Amino acid sequence: GAVVSQHPSRVICKSGTSVKIECRSLDFQATTMFWYRQFPKQSLMLMATSNEGSKATYEQGVEKDKFLINHASLTLSTLTVTSAHPEDSSFYICSASTGTTNWVFGQGTRLTVV
Amino acid sequence: QQQVKQSPQSLIVQKGGISIINCAYENTAFDYFPWYQQFPGKGPALLIAIRPDVSEKKEGRFTISFNKSAKQFSLHIMDSQPGDSATYFCAARHSNQFYFGTGTSLTVIP
Repeated sequence: GAVVSQHPSRVICKSGTSVKIECRSLDFQATTMFWYRQFPKQSLMLMATSNEGSKATYEQGVEKDKFLINHASLTLSTLTVTSAHPEDSSFYICSASTGTTNWVFGQGTRLTVV
Repeated sequence: QQQVKQSPQSLIVQKGGISIINCAYENTAFDYFPWYQQFPGKGPALLIAIRPDVSEKKEGRFTISFNKSAKQFSLHIMDSQPGDSATYFCAARHSNQFYFGTGTSLTVIP
């Protein structure tokens, strides 16, 4: 079946540094990918919609200068958390469509900012 | 505003029992209703899904019941097993965007 790979699965960074998270569709092309944030024991919050070859669309309240999204190819989207702070610590998840009705989720990235 | 309301927040079921999770929505433009299963530290995985023109869909031990007039849908897990212990999210789709319920933490006791 279709697989979306996220890397890294866990990352710890110092406050003030930037962290890049990759989301790859392994065996299909994805013109659109979504980025979510999930706090412990809570639901997924859509952060932004990533479109290949164009600017991402951010949800209300999400700082686009802090959460940089790049979707440079049909199989790769990246989320960069810039100048990370402890409050950015969270579980970040991407998803991509196989072109049918199935949206496949990545395994998530646990970001801890110390 | 929560577009999809999910209940209960947590559920404890004996092994072999039936687990039932309910979701309700308001937006009649939703055209696809999936259920996702998520284990700790992992991304959600599609479990089963239904379209609004179908009232029930069954896949193995998992069944979705859909009531279009009531704008409600539910997940039934028959013969629940300890391995089913996870968090379950219902979702609804409109214009290629998914709206998730708040999740239900299911614990199946051996």
